[in-house]
Amino acid sequence: EAGVAQSPRYKIIEKRQSVAFWCNPISGHATLYWYQQILGQGPKLLIQFQNNGVVDDSQLPKDRFSAERLKGVDSTLKIQPAKLEDSAVYLCASSPEDRGATQETQYFGPGTRLLVL
Amino acid sequence: AQRVTQPEKLLSVFKGAPVELKCNYSYSGSPELFWYVQYSRQRLQLLLRHISRESIKGFTADLNKGETSFHLKKPFAQEEDSAMYYCALSGYQAGTALIFGKGTTLSVSS
Repeated sequence: EAGVAQSPRYKIIEKRQSVAFWCNPISGHATLYWYQQILGQGPKLLIQFQNNGVVDDSQLPKDRFSAERLKGVDSTLKIQPAKLEDSAVYLCASSPEDRGATQETQYFGPGTRLLVL
Repeated sequence: AQRVTQPEKLLSVFKGAPVELKCNYSYSGSPELFWYVQYSRQRLQLLLRHISRESIKGFTADLNKGETSFHLKKPFAQEEDSAMYYCALSGYQAGTALIFGKGTTLSVSS
Protein backbone atom coordinates (compact mmCIF):
# COMPACT_ATOMS: atom_id res chain seq x y z
CA GLU A 1 0.00 0.00 0.00
CA ALA A 2 1.12 3.58 -0.60
CA GLY A 3 2.53 5.29 2.46
CA VAL A 4 1.77 8.64 4.01
CA ALA A 5 2.61 11.42 1.56
CA GLN A 6 3.75 14.91 2.51
CA SER A 7 4.66 18.01 0.55
CA PRO A 8 6.71 20.01 0.19
CA ARG A 9 9.75 18.11 1.43
CA TYR A 10 11.72 21.27 2.14
CA LYS A 11 10.77 24.90 2.68
CA ILE A 12 12.79 27.99 3.47
CA ILE A 13 10.98 31.19 4.44
CA GLU A 14 11.65 34.49 6.15
CA LYS A 15 10.27 35.11 9.62
CA ARG A 16 6.79 36.59 9.67
CA GLN A 17 5.94 34.88 6.35
CA SER A 18 3.26 32.20 6.04
CA VAL A 19 3.71 28.58 5.09
CA ALA A 20 1.46 25.56 4.55
CA PHE A 21 2.16 21.86 4.62
CA TRP A 22 0.05 19.12 3.09
CA CYS A 23 -0.45 15.51 4.16
CA ASN A 24 -2.22 12.63 2.44
CA PRO A 25 -2.64 9.70 4.85
CA ILE A 26 -2.83 6.03 4.00
CA SER A 27 -6.16 5.27 2.36
CA GLY A 28 -8.80 4.34 4.90
CA HIS A 29 -6.87 5.56 7.93
CA ALA A 30 -9.22 7.38 10.25
CA THR A 31 -6.70 9.04 12.56
CA LEU A 32 -4.21 11.66 11.41
CA TYR A 33 -1.48 13.27 13.50
CA TRP A 34 0.82 16.24 12.99
CA TYR A 35 4.07 16.20 14.94
CA GLN A 36 6.79 18.84 15.23
CA GLN A 37 10.36 17.61 15.55
CA ILE A 38 12.93 20.22 16.51
CA LEU A 39 16.58 19.31 15.90
CA GLY A 40 17.87 17.05 18.67
CA GLN A 41 14.40 16.32 20.03
CA GLY A 42 11.84 13.61 19.55
CA PRO A 43 8.61 14.33 17.68
CA LYS A 44 6.01 16.29 19.66
CA LEU A 45 2.29 16.13 18.90
CA LEU A 46 0.74 19.31 17.55
CA ILE A 47 -2.73 18.09 16.63
CA GLN A 48 -4.67 14.86 16.21
CA PHE A 49 -7.73 14.30 14.00
CA GLN A 50 -10.21 11.46 14.09
CA ASN A 51 -11.84 11.55 10.65
CA ASN A 52 -12.44 15.30 10.24
CA GLY A 53 -12.82 16.14 13.91
CA VAL A 54 -10.09 17.40 16.26
CA VAL A 55 -9.27 14.99 19.09
CA ASP A 56 -6.32 16.81 20.68
CA ASP A 57 -4.86 20.21 19.86
CA SER A 58 -3.68 21.10 23.35
CA GLN A 59 -0.08 21.63 22.23
CA LEU A 60 -0.85 23.58 19.06
CA PRO A 61 0.21 27.26 19.31
CA LYS A 62 -3.15 28.49 18.12
CA ASP A 63 -2.09 32.12 17.78
CA ARG A 64 -0.01 31.16 14.74
CA PHE A 65 -0.69 27.52 13.84
CA SER A 66 -3.85 26.15 12.28
CA ALA A 67 -4.78 22.81 10.78
CA GLU A 68 -7.72 21.29 9.03
CA ARG A 69 -8.74 17.94 7.65
CA LEU A 70 -11.50 18.46 5.19
CA LYS A 71 -13.63 15.45 4.30
CA GLY A 72 -11.62 13.33 6.73
CA VAL A 73 -8.83 12.59 4.25
CA ASP A 74 -6.06 15.09 3.40
CA SER A 75 -4.85 17.61 5.92
CA THR A 76 -3.06 20.94 5.82
CA LEU A 77 -1.04 22.58 8.57
CA LYS A 78 -0.42 26.31 8.35
CA ILE A 79 1.89 28.67 10.19
CA GLN A 80 1.12 32.39 10.04
CA PRO A 81 3.29 34.27 10.84
CA ALA A 82 6.36 32.06 11.20
CA LYS A 83 8.98 32.57 13.89
CA LEU A 84 12.60 31.47 13.99
CA GLU A 85 11.77 28.82 16.59
CA ASP A 86 9.36 27.14 14.15
CA SER A 87 12.34 25.74 12.24
CA ALA A 88 11.78 21.99 12.52
CA VAL A 89 10.67 18.88 10.69
CA TYR A 90 6.89 18.55 10.51
CA LEU A 91 5.78 14.95 10.47
CA CYS A 92 2.39 13.62 9.50
CA ALA A 93 1.29 10.19 10.66
CA SER A 94 -1.86 8.15 10.25
CA SER A 95 -3.32 5.08 11.87
CA PRO A 96 -6.24 2.79 11.03
CA GLU A 97 -9.66 3.06 12.55
CA ASP A 98 -9.60 1.80 16.10
CA ARG A 99 -11.05 -1.65 16.24
CA GLY A 100 -9.76 -2.78 19.62
CA ALA A 101 -8.82 -1.50 22.97
CA THR A 102 -5.15 -0.87 22.26
CA GLN A 103 -3.17 1.58 20.22
CA GLU A 104 -2.98 1.05 16.46
CA THR A 105 0.40 1.42 14.76
CA GLN A 106 1.14 4.90 13.47
CA TYR A 107 2.63 5.20 9.99
CA PHE A 108 4.79 8.25 9.35
CA GLY A 109 5.36 10.35 6.29
CA PRO A 110 8.80 11.55 5.19
CA GLY A 111 8.32 14.93 6.83
CA THR A 112 8.64 18.52 5.70
CA ARG A 113 11.83 20.28 6.77
CA LEU A 114 11.14 23.97 7.49
CA LEU A 115 13.85 26.57 7.92
CA VAL A 116 12.80 30.02 9.07
CA LEU A 117 15.40 32.76 8.48
CA ALA B 1 4.03 14.32 34.19
CA GLN B 2 4.16 12.06 31.15
CA ARG B 3 7.71 11.74 29.99
CA VAL B 4 10.11 9.44 28.13
CA THR B 5 13.81 9.65 28.92
CA GLN B 6 16.57 8.25 26.75
CA PRO B 7 19.77 9.08 28.61
CA GLU B 8 22.20 8.39 25.77
CA LYS B 9 22.39 10.59 22.70
CA LEU B 10 24.89 8.32 21.02
CA LEU B 11 25.84 4.69 21.49
CA SER B 12 28.79 3.35 19.53
CA VAL B 13 29.54 -0.38 19.43
CA PHE B 14 31.48 -2.83 17.33
CA LYS B 15 29.80 -5.37 15.10
CA GLY B 16 28.95 -8.49 17.08
CA ALA B 17 28.86 -6.68 20.42
CA PRO B 18 25.71 -6.62 22.58
CA VAL B 19 23.53 -3.52 22.46
CA GLU B 20 21.27 -2.01 25.08
CA LEU B 21 19.43 1.24 24.40
CA LYS B 22 17.97 2.62 27.59
CA CYS B 23 14.49 4.03 28.01
CA ASN B 24 12.75 5.15 31.19
CA TYR B 25 9.28 6.57 31.38
CA SER B 26 6.94 8.45 33.65
CA TYR B 27 3.20 7.96 33.19
CA SER B 28 0.16 7.95 35.44
CA GLY B 29 -1.80 4.90 34.42
CA SER B 30 -1.02 1.94 32.19
CA PRO B 31 0.99 3.02 29.17
CA GLU B 32 1.79 1.19 26.02
CA LEU B 33 5.49 1.33 25.11
CA PHE B 34 7.08 1.35 21.66
CA TRP B 35 10.42 1.54 19.95
CA TYR B 36 10.50 3.44 16.65
CA VAL B 37 13.53 3.47 14.35
CA GLN B 38 14.68 5.83 11.62
CA TYR B 39 17.34 4.54 9.23
CA SER B 40 19.34 6.98 7.14
CA ARG B 41 17.13 8.70 4.54
CA GLN B 42 14.07 6.67 5.56
CA ARG B 43 10.95 7.58 7.44
CA LEU B 44 10.24 6.85 11.06
CA GLN B 45 8.83 3.34 11.48
CA LEU B 46 7.70 1.06 14.25
CA LEU B 47 10.29 -1.47 15.39
CA LEU B 48 8.40 -3.18 18.18
CA ARG B 49 5.82 -2.67 20.91
CA HIS B 50 5.72 -4.20 24.35
CA ILE B 51 2.27 -5.69 23.97
CA SER B 52 3.38 -7.86 21.05
CA ARG B 53 6.28 -9.44 22.95
CA GLU B 54 8.02 -10.02 19.62
CA SER B 55 11.64 -10.11 18.56
CA ILE B 56 12.11 -7.90 15.50
CA LYS B 57 15.44 -7.98 13.64
CA GLY B 58 16.91 -9.64 16.71
CA PHE B 59 15.81 -6.81 19.01
CA THR B 60 13.75 -7.39 22.15
CA ALA B 61 12.42 -5.07 24.82
CA ASP B 62 10.87 -5.96 28.15
CA LEU B 63 8.60 -3.65 30.06
CA ASN B 64 9.71 -3.36 33.70
CA LYS B 65 6.92 -1.59 35.54
CA GLY B 66 8.82 -1.55 38.82
CA GLU B 67 11.74 0.34 37.29
CA THR B 68 9.52 2.10 34.72
CA SER B 69 11.91 1.03 31.98
CA PHE B 70 11.64 -0.38 28.47
CA HIS B 71 15.21 -0.99 27.37
CA LEU B 72 15.92 -2.24 23.84
CA LYS B 73 18.41 -5.09 23.55
CA LYS B 74 20.17 -7.10 20.89
CA PRO B 75 22.80 -9.72 21.67
CA PHE B 76 24.90 -9.21 18.53
CA ALA B 77 24.84 -5.86 16.74
CA GLN B 78 25.02 -5.64 12.95
CA GLU B 79 26.19 -2.69 10.86
CA GLU B 80 22.70 -2.38 9.37
CA ASP B 81 21.36 -1.66 12.86
CA SER B 82 22.96 1.79 12.70
CA ALA B 83 20.07 4.24 12.98
CA MET B 84 18.25 6.65 15.29
CA TYR B 85 16.07 4.88 17.85
CA TYR B 86 13.17 6.53 19.64
CA CYS B 87 11.35 5.17 22.64
CA ALA B 88 7.72 6.28 22.84
CA LEU B 89 4.65 5.76 24.98
CA SER B 90 0.94 6.25 24.64
CA GLY B 91 -2.11 5.70 26.69
CA TYR B 92 -3.37 2.13 26.60
CA GLN B 93 -6.64 3.07 24.96
CA ALA B 94 -6.88 3.30 21.20
CA GLY B 95 -6.37 6.55 19.35
CA THR B 96 -3.97 8.30 21.70
CA ALA B 97 -0.93 10.14 20.46
CA LEU B 98 2.66 9.13 21.10
CA ILE B 99 5.04 10.82 23.50
CA PHE B 100 8.61 10.41 22.28
CA GLY B 101 12.00 10.48 23.92
CA LYS B 102 14.81 12.51 22.40
CA GLY B 103 16.27 9.50 20.65
CA THR B 104 19.54 7.59 20.70
CA THR B 105 21.81 7.28 17.69
CA LEU B 106 23.23 3.76 17.43
CA SER B 107 26.43 3.47 15.44
CA VAL B 108 27.74 -0.01 14.69
CA SER B 109 31.20 -0.23 13.18
CA SER B 110 33.18 -3.17 11.87
